[in-house]
Amino acid sequence: EDKVVQSPLSLVVHEGDTVTLNCSYEVTNFRSLLWYKQEKKAPTFLFMLTSSGIEKKSGRLSSILDKKELFSILNITATQTGDSAVYLCAVPDNYGQNFVFGPGTRLSVLP
Amino acid sequence: DGGITQSPKYLFRKEGQNVTLSCEQNLNHDAMYWYRQDPGQGLRLIYYSQIVNDFQKGDIAEGYSVSREKKESFPLTVTSAQKNPTAFYLCASSNRQGANSPLHFGNGTRLTVT
Repeated sequence: EDKVVQSPLSLVVHEGDTVTLNCSYEVTNFRSLLWYKQEKKAPTFLFMLTSSGIEKKSGRLSSILDKKELFSILNITATQTGDSAVYLCAVPDNYGQNFVFGPGTRLSVLP
Repeated sequence: DGGITQSPKYLFRKEGQNVTLSCEQNLNHDAMYWYRQDPGQGLRLIYYSQIVNDFQKGDIAEGYSVSREKKESFPLTVTSAQKNPTAFYLCASSNRQGANSPLHFGNGTRLTVT
């Protein structure tokens, strides 16, 4: 069964800290891994990763994929209160038709 | 502006009543999806549709129904058969179904059934 696990499930940090969020997956036919940020409503797309070892970066956020060890990390440097959100990780299922989502990591950044 | 519109934002219903959640997109996307989100759990797929007049059950379709009469619209009906309908419902679309097309989400409908 296709599966996505995220850790930690919850994290509280102070502004300026750096955080690393983890996503591990089990899927028979890997195609890609996606990260989303969900504040209060709609998840917004952050990154899509398909190749191992190639870092994707957007401002203070970066992400990398390890297809051998079946995981990805999302790094946020110099965190701000606006980074407080649930971060979701997803992979397409074995048939490539739908997405399997992890439970999310709830990040709280305190001033 | 292109996007996905879900309505209403909040919905309250009595147990035993059917309720329909609206989802409209003007992105010209072929594929549309309905997910349910409960606290501490990931998004779970209810139904999806690749093209007009066609849809498939997701992982938790029991107690729900959908239609796809128009490309832009994919309404979800929560029937009285759904045992635990209180949840946050998210609609999404993508320009083609499959691995290389990220989902675009609506702002969700929070349904409370008492």
